[in-house]
Parts: sequence; structure tokens; C-alpha cells
Amino acid sequence: AQKVTQAQTEISVVEKEDVTLDCVYETRDTTYYLFWYKQPPSGELVFLIRRNSFDEQNEISGRYSWNFQKSTSSFNFTITASQVVDSAVYFCALSPNTGNQFYFGTGTSLTVIP
Amino acid sequence: EAGVVQSPRYKIIEKKQPVAFWCNPISGHNTLYWYLQNLGQGPELLIRYENEEAVDDSQLPKDRFSAERLKGVDSTLKIQPAELGDSAVYLCASSFWTGNTGELFFGEGSRLTVL
Repeated sequence: AQKVTQAQTEISVVEKEDVTLDCVYETRDTTYYLFWYKQPPSGELVFLIRRNSFDEQNEISGRYSWNFQKSTSSFNFTITASQVVDSAVYFCALSPNTGNQFYFGTGTSLTVIP
Repeated sequence: EAGVVQSPRYKIIEKKQPVAFWCNPISGHNTLYWYLQNLGQGPELLIRYENEEAVDDSQLPKDRFSAERLKGVDSTLKIQPAELGDSAVYLCASSFWTGNTGELFFGEGSRLTVL
């Protein structure tokens, strides 16, 4: 079975604080991909990152960083020095390489307070 | 390059009425998805097309929902008749499938309200 769990439903932080969004996944596939998407109030899900299961290197892109740990089946997302524009719902997703399918978590709603 | 285009953005109808949503994917993308997103939830797959073929429609409620993707480009999702529980956002996404998973590109969604 394929499953993505985002236990944090809502998070509020004050601007400039760091925040980490958790993502835990379940899959029996040995090859798979993990994604993060951002959904601002406008509604369109925006792709942020894709990682494959063989690449456990952490990645940093500006204020965004991702920590992939196979041992704990987690793919956490950290925003450093948060800004009001970071306010959105963030989704973690899993895609096994057995097919062109995607499984989404329930999302974490982040509010950055000025 | 144009993104995924969906219309209408908003639709309000009374129950038992029909409704249709249209999606134009990114040019060259061979895979098209329709997702349902309820408030506070993640997208849930309704149907996936690879070119013209519906390869995964197991979650599509076929008694009232139908979809088509003529010529492997645009797609239409129809609900007839609509029920109160169909109120949600209907998302269209596309990707270029090469045998390895590529990222999804989403449209802005069509928000349906059934009264």
C-alpha cells in the first residue's frame, strides 16, 4: 500500500522564524519518488521538489531545504526565515516507479504572521 | 509556455443539474489527470489518461461521472446529475511520462458548489 502522512494540519509562525513541515510515507516499492507541492490561496499546486529513493542527499534551495531519511521513511521540508508569502498549504506526495501514479498527503496549512 | 488551463474557475449549480469541466494540458504532455480535492484534504485521483486511453479510472464514480480525452489533448469531466456531496475543487494536471516519474503540473482548478 502507498500512503503519505502529514500529521501537522495547521502551523502558525511569526515572520522570520524557521519552520519544519513533516512528511512520513509508506511504500513497498524499492524505487519511488517524493515530492513537495505548494498550494497558495489562488488554488494552483506549484511543484517545489522531486527526490528519488536512491538519492538521500539533503537539498537546499534558497530558504528551502529538504531532509530525506529512508531509515525513518521521512521527507521533511524546512523553511528558514519564513516570510508572509510562504503562507500556503503544502502537500507531500509519493510516486512509486511502477506507474505514473501519485499519492498525496492531507496537507499542512502554514500561516506566517507578520 | 502556457500552463494547464481549466475552465470554468467557479460553478454554482443546483443538485440534479449537469456540469462539465474542461482542461487543456501543457503542450506535449501525454498524461492527463483529473483530481478531486475536498476542503482540507489532498488531491484524490479520479481518472488518469495516457494519451487517449483511460488507464486508471478505478476511483471515478461511473454512475454519474464521465470523462473523455479526445485526440489525446483536451479533456472534459462531466457530472450528471450533480449531488450535494460533489461540491469540491476539481483539479486537472498533466505530465510527460517517459517511463520515469516526472512532476505534475496543475491547473488552478474548478470550484464546484452544488446547492
